[in-house]
Amino acid sequence: SQQGEEDPQALSIQEGENATMNCSYKTSINNLQWYRQNSGRGLVHLILIRSNEREKHSGRLRVTLDTSKKSSSLLITASRAADTASYFCATDENTDKLIFGTGTRLQVFP
Amino acid sequence: IAGITQAPTSQILAAGRRMTLRCTQDMRHNAMYWYRQDLGLGLRLIHYSNTAGTTGKGEVPDGYSVSRANTDDFPLTLASAVPSQTSVYFCASGTGGNQPQHFGDGTRLSIL
Repeated sequence: SQQGEEDPQALSIQEGENATMNCSYKTSINNLQWYRQNSGRGLVHLILIRSNEREKHSGRLRVTLDTSKKSSSLLITASRAADTASYFCATDENTDKLIFGTGTRLQVFP
Repeated sequence: IAGITQAPTSQILAAGRRMTLRCTQDMRHNAMYWYRQDLGLGLRLIHYSNTAGTTGKGEVPDGYSVSRANTDDFPLTLASAVPSQTSVYFCASGTGGNQPQHFGDGTRLSIL
């Protein structure tokens, strides 16, 4: 079952611009997580936001969560070429497992 | 460097052959997971283990088996490989439940 669905599937921007990716899910959750995957590598955990939180920051990353709309967004500010990667959201469906979406491919051009 | 080690990094295998993918972690995490990643389908959970000595089935367990004899190792076995098992396989570990997971760099497996 696919819980998180990212939007857009692909995004191309210039260095210095902001990148926004969205994730929608279907059932109630305890938390939502965002991961990054560089080409040919494993996923790396970026940030976790709990269901009772609305916004969370980590460096240039800002995550919002709207449980009424069952959606989350990941904002990367002042993007760099090194931010080029695929980004995945993962939700728990109130279980002890994570379900990953299909990801957003971000390309940042120098 | 602490983390997860997967082996081999890539493999080409004839259909019908048996194959074991290895996964070792040195973070003393209780929980370990195996996922497959296919284009357009994201990551799908194959099997998991919440603690040494226990295993469970994920979303796509058919054709795969796992064991968890100790905390560090979590091998995944394909008893008789089929072409539809061509994929990139990721092992992950974590403290359990819905907490963040740490991933290895994957095994790229092609079944011909």
